[in-house]
Amino acid sequence: AQSVTQLDSQVPVFEEAPVELRCNYSSSVSVYLFWYVQYPNQGLQLLLKYLSGSTLVKGINGFEAEFNKSQTSFHLRKPSVHISDTAEYFCAVSKYNFNKFYFGSGTKLNVKP
Amino acid sequence: EAGVTQFPSHSVIEKGQTVTLRCDPISGHDNLYWYRRVMGKEIKFLLHFVKESKQDESGMPNNRFLAERTGGTYSTLKVQPAELEDSGVYFCASSQVGTGDTEAFFGQGTRLTVV
Repeated sequence: AQSVTQLDSQVPVFEEAPVELRCNYSSSVSVYLFWYVQYPNQGLQLLLKYLSGSTLVKGINGFEAEFNKSQTSFHLRKPSVHISDTAEYFCAVSKYNFNKFYFGSGTKLNVKP
Repeated sequence: EAGVTQFPSHSVIEKGQTVTLRCDPISGHDNLYWYRRVMGKEIKFLLHFVKESKQDESGMPNNRFLAERTGGTYSTLKVQPAELEDSGVYFCASSQVGTGDTEAFFGQGTRLTVV
């Protein structure tokens, strides 16, 4: 079975500061890793994904994440956040590509001016 | 092109009533998934359709939940009778069938409140 832990339920940060949203997972098999974002009153939108290859993955809106197999982590980072990044972010794993996700409980990023 | 559309966006019903949620996937997407998020917790898988067939319904909480996808197009999720613990946001997602990089697209969800 797979599970995902997002330790930080809320992360407040000032505009233009760097941010890291943490994600750890457990799985007895190889998995694919994803980050989704949900802006207010919108659906989930794919930010980035790790399927194979380079462990540093770049996504939309300047976000990136690094897959660390030994630490079973897939932390999301952005060097300088904007007010518009205020949203809830979900880490997810899937045994198969985009099939049956296991999500974390979400991290609300609140960017302050 | 229209994305995944869910109706209604919000629903407030009394305990014991019946509610039907609808999901219209992206045209041509044979995979359709239902997920649910209970307040503050993780988004949990409910079931997966491939066309009109249930591929995996291991996440359905109990027999008060009935999902259908007649004709392999839109899907409905009926809760009958609704209980307080059924409150949450129900998400639908769709994707193309096949190997390779097929992204899953999510709807904006239906917020169900059972009072």
